[in-house]
Amino acid sequence: AQSVAQPEDQVNVAEGNPLTVKCTYSVSGNPYLFWYVQYPNRGLQFLLKYITGDNLVKGSYGFEAEFNKSQTSFHLKKPSALVSDSALYFCAVRPGSSNTGKLIFGQGTTLQVKP
Amino acid sequence: NAGVTQTPKFRVLKTGQSMTLLCAQDMNHEYMYWYRQDPGMGLRLIHYSVGEGTTAKGEVPDGYNVSRLKKQNFLLGLESAAPSQTSVYFCASSYGAFLTDTQYFGPGTRLTVL
Repeated sequence: AQSVAQPEDQVNVAEGNPLTVKCTYSVSGNPYLFWYVQYPNRGLQFLLKYITGDNLVKGSYGFEAEFNKSQTSFHLKKPSALVSDSALYFCAVRPGSSNTGKLIFGQGTTLQVKP
Repeated sequence: NAGVTQTPKFRVLKTGQSMTLLCAQDMNHEYMYWYRQDPGMGLRLIHYSVGEGTTAKGEVPDGYNVSRLKKQNFLLGLESAAPSQTSVYFCASSYGAFLTDTQYFGPGTRLTVL
């Protein structure tokens, strides 16, 4: 079965420290990977995506993600966390075999950045 | 350019009542989607549409119906609401189904069924 896993329900980081939010996937064909962020009582906002090429993808608000094909992972990273980064983060994948544009979402990871 | 909008933002229903959620997008996107978000389960696809006049079932379609009479609108209907349909509902749209296309989300509708 095709799936996305975010192994941590919550990640706690001190402001100014680097952060990592983990994501692993299991899909057929080449994966197309996405990260979204959801602030309280808001919709999902697109952060970045991996399609092909460089394994390190840069996105909005200073976030980046590293695609690792051998480990089937797409971890979200930021060198220096801000309190305002506190939110719910979703990893999503579109299987390379898809012809409908459907996304498969992970269960989400809450990021808490403390001053 | 409002992007994706959803109406209403909040709603409380009694078991057995019906309602329709409206999603509208002004980006001329072909594809539209309805998801529900439940704690610890991420987003699950209810129904989707690949163009005006077409709809298809997603992962959790039971108890819901949809219509796409106009390209810019995608309606989600609950004919007889049940407490299990208490959730936050998100609409999304994308330009097409190209694998690189990004889905853009609306702000959500919080539905409670008593």
